[in-house]
Amino acid sequence: EDQVTQSPEALRLQEGESSSLNCSYTVSGLRGLFWYRQDPGKGPEFLFTLYSAGEEKEKERLKATLTKKESFLHITAPKPEDSATYLCAVQAGNTDKLIFGTGTRLQVFP
Amino acid sequence: SAVISQKPSRDICQRGTSLTIQCQVDSQVTMMFWYRQQPGQSLTLIATANQGSEATYESGFVIDKFPISRPNLTFSTLTVSNMSPEDSSIYLCSAMTGEQFFGPGTRLTVL
Repeated sequence: EDQVTQSPEALRLQEGESSSLNCSYTVSGLRGLFWYRQDPGKGPEFLFTLYSAGEEKEKERLKATLTKKESFLHITAPKPEDSATYLCAVQAGNTDKLIFGTGTRLQVFP
Repeated sequence: SAVISQKPSRDICQRGTSLTIQCQVDSQVTMMFWYRQQPGQSLTLIATANQGSEATYESGFVIDKFPISRPNLTFSTLTVSNMSPEDSSIYLCSAMTGEQFFGPGTRLTVL
């Protein structure tokens, strides 16, 4: 069965303290791995799609990387406005549906 | 990208009643999806809605409980039927335009 696991469940950082979020997956025929940011009371906001091992993408303080078993979302020098839940999802096989992990709740303190 | 709107943004309903949620996309899309996000949890796919065909439901979700319409390439509705408190959740629609984008969600509380 396709599965996506995110860790840690929650992460508290001081402003400027860099860290990484992990997304490990077990799927048959990965087509894409997606990262989203979700603020309380809002829908997920698209961040990145990664398609193959070794691929990296960056956006401001965020960088996403992909291996054959997991993805990392690196946050460099985070700011309080980076506080949110970060969701990882995979698309696999011959379907366009996304399978989501349970998310990492990030809090960045000034 | 796609801009997706949903109506209503939130509602409080009595058990046994039904609620229809509307989803509007600002561009034509082939595939739309309906997800449920229960309190403190991640997203679970309810069904995939393609224009001109019956929706495809995931395991644990049935058409009688969650009927879906997809009358054109920019619009879809999800009905939550015969509601119970266990249906209290956030319902999200999404659309594929290259990537998969999400609407703001509908927060449903069933008393």
